Amino acid sequence: DAGVTQSPTHLIKTRGQQVTLRCSPKSGHDTVSWYQQALGQGPQFIFQYYEEEERQRGNFPDRFSGHQFPNYSSELNVNALLLGDSALYLCASSFGKRLTGELFFGEGSRLTVL
Amino acid sequence: LAKTTQPISMDSYEGQEVNITCSHNNIATNDYITWYQQFPSQGPRFIIQGYKTKVTNEVASLFIPADRKSSTLSLPRVSLSDTAVYYCLVVNNNDMRFGAGTRLTVKP
Repeated sequence: DAGVTQSPTHLIKTRGQQVTLRCSPKSGHDTVSWYQQALGQGPQFIFQYYEEEERQRGNFPDRFSGHQFPNYSSELNVNALLLGDSALYLCASSFGKRLTGELFFGEGSRLTVL
Repeated sequence: LAKTTQPISMDSYEGQEVNITCSHNNIATNDYITWYQQFPSQGPRFIIQGYKTKVTNEVASLFIPADRKSSTLSLPRVSLSDTAVYYCLVVNNNDMRFGAGTRLTVKP
């Protein structure tokens, strides 16, 4: 049984560019949430998708957007990249739209913005 | 959402019990406390979640006093493979906040 898978694992972009990160949830899960983890810090909640809609959102600007597909997979898009967007982006899946409960995380996509 | 405060680092030895305390003074009625473990280059892994009193599973115990302003994760008989960063998380159905994490180093 595959767990949460994310792609790509690493990528490098330049300031002002746009990036799309992808996530496939664990089998049987219908909810995906995204997190940003800067080096040496804890993850920060970006948003959660359930039934193809953004349900909850953390304190992130509109440059961060997402999408969930009918097969429950998800994308995170970041526009107009800033140097400060360099981080590990984590995806987590769960069952049901509650934020409480056990989250299963992928290994992340490491984004470097030059 | 309540801010969490944890020790930055802790050292222990194999076979010892380790207790990591997290402070969350402004916790709200609907907030739960959750702990995650993270190894380098991996995503966090769920350890345990609780609301009040004591919760125990096969890997850890979570103690939450009546005022719920703090919580303590207890790891019995740690091994070298328990060396990791441990995050305390306050979460409700609308938001979640990870702490800065406690780096636990287990020595032989």
